[in-house]
This record gives sequence, C-alpha cells and structure tokens, in this order.
Amino acid sequence: TQLLEQSPQFLSIQEGENLTVYCNSSSVFSSLQWYRQEPGEGPVLLVTVVTGGEVKKLKRLTFQFGDARKDSSLHITAAQPGDTGLYLCAGAASNTGKLIFGQGTTLQVKP
Amino acid sequence: KAGVTQTPRYLIKTRGQQVTLSCSPISGHRSVSWYQQTPGQGLQFLFEYFSETQRNKGNFPGRFSGRQFSNSRSEMNVSTLELGDSALYLCASSLGGVYEKLFFGSGTQLSVL
Repeated sequence: TQLLEQSPQFLSIQEGENLTVYCNSSSVFSSLQWYRQEPGEGPVLLVTVVTGGEVKKLKRLTFQFGDARKDSSLHITAAQPGDTGLYLCAGAASNTGKLIFGQGTTLQVKP
Repeated sequence: KAGVTQTPRYLIKTRGQQVTLSCSPISGHRSVSWYQQTPGQGLQFLFEYFSETQRNKGNFPGRFSGRQFSNSRSEMNVSTLELGDSALYLCASSLGGVYEKLFFGSGTQLSVL
C-alpha cells in the first residue's frame, strides 16, 4: 500500500514567517500534486510536479519534488493570513489509476 | 465556465438508511472521481468514472457504489449507513483522469446519527 506522510500536521505562525511542509513516502510516484483547501470548500490545485528534482515557484510558494520522486516539500516565504488553510499533497500511484492523499497540514497564519 | 456542483450540500441520515449524492462535472470533463474526507483518515479515494465506466475503485466496502450518466453527471450511493460513514464527500472532475488537474466541488457533508 502506498502511503504519503505529511508533516507537520498543524502549524501556527505569525505573519511574515517562513515555513516548510513535507510530504514523504517510501514509494515512488509518477507525479505529485499540492492542493490548498479552505473551510467549507473543496481542495484547489496549486501545482503538479512530475520530474525528480523539479522545483516550481508560485509567487511566495516554492515546491520541490525529490530526486527519487518519493518526497516533496512546500516552502512558503513571508506567510500571510491569506495562506491559512489545509495543505494536501497527493501522489499519482504508478499504474494503479489512484490518487493517494497525505493527511494534510493545517496552517494558521496570525496577523 | 461553471464549476463542479455537488448536491445536496448537507445531509443528515440515521443508521441503516441509504443516501444518494450527486455531482455535476465541468462541461466537457469526462472523468469524475469521488473521495471521502474525515478528520481521522484524511482524503481517501472512493472510485473514478470515465465515460460511464468505473475505471478504478478504492478500498471501500460494497455499500459504496456509484454510476455515471451519458452527460458525465455522476451519483454516489451509500447503503445501510453506519456512524462511521459521517464525512465530507467530495467529487472532482477532469478531462482525462485523476492524474490530471482535478477540479473539486464543495462537497456534501453527511452526518449519520
């Protein structure tokens, strides 16, 4: 069974601080997606990383896919209250047609 | 372009009852996938339908079933409800499958009493 472990589960920081969320597995994924979900809404796709070692930037968010395609990280620079939400990583499980989600990281950014 | 629409938004049922949830995908999307989200288990894949055929299924009991119609709209059914079925049920649509960009609906919050 392919699993994705996210850490930390909860993060409460002050506006302006930096943070990193990790998504780890012992399995290889063909691609990995990052979503943000706000209360009462469905997840919204932020980015998809496909190539081992790939780095993608989305304004203050930096996403990295591990060289072995088993792990990924999300780094937020100078967090803002609008970044508050549940961050989910999801891995495309090779040849199974299934998307495996991590447990999520709840981020609270205080003004 | 309208987003993914799920109905109803909230549902309260009692143990033993059955429930049907509906999902209307974005126009032109042929893949609809369903997920169960709970605080303890997170987001778990239920099944995916593509062009009216179930293409993949997660590790859920047979009480959970679904179908997709020719207009790509999908329904999910849960029979003989249990307390543990209380969850947010999300559907997502995409052009080709779960590995592509998924567009999620706002979900149906099911409470089983």
